[in-house]
Amino acid sequence: SQQGEEDPQALSIQEGENATMNCSYKTSINNLQWYRQNSGRGLVHLILIRSNEREKHSGRLRVTLDTSKKSSSLLITASRAADTASYFCATVTGNQFYFGTGTSLTVIP
Amino acid sequence: GAVVSQHPSRVICKSGTSVKIECRSLDFQATTMFWYRQFPKKSLMLMATSNEGSKATYEQGVEKDKFLINHASLTLSTLTVTSAHPEDSSFYICSARSFFRDRGHETQYFGPGTRLLVL
Repeated sequence: SQQGEEDPQALSIQEGENATMNCSYKTSINNLQWYRQNSGRGLVHLILIRSNEREKHSGRLRVTLDTSKKSSSLLITASRAADTASYFCATVTGNQFYFGTGTSLTVIP
Repeated sequence: GAVVSQHPSRVICKSGTSVKIECRSLDFQATTMFWYRQFPKKSLMLMATSNEGSKATYEQGVEKDKFLINHASLTLSTLTVTSAHPEDSSFYICSARSFFRDRGHETQYFGPGTRLLVL
């Protein structure tokens, strides 16, 4: 399967702390994207990092990509209760998206 | 960003009936549309890829006669779950892909999902 693996599966932190989620994948990619999904809702695109990029920032989000290790990490700084959601990485190869297994983040106020 | 809608957002049906889910790209023409299925607290699994005017390409293990996909136009794709059974209950998400000239690359947008419950 080309589906990515995310680690940890679940993460619970206090508001204000940083949250780090990791994603590993198996094949070469064009880009990697991170999405957020609130319970029972659709996906919200957060950030895209291309295969030739190593780090990208967007607001409180920081994404890294290590193509030699086939892994990426998403860091959410100064977390808020509203960040509580599931976070998925998606690797893009050609025309196809392959989603990771997701990390369920709970931010405790 | 571009908008993709799905209709209905939620549907409950009896076992044995067929259910049609629509996916529309509202402000752009989608060269390709994708259908995903998501089980509770699980990731999205790609079911099929469809291009306008041609037959859908189904992923391994997805029954094409069970999940009928029609990509009638560049802005509309439909997924019909035929003779639905309780095990078909799931969250179905579509996405639409297009090349955006101002960005110089293809981008894929996801619909809000349709929750299907088969009794």
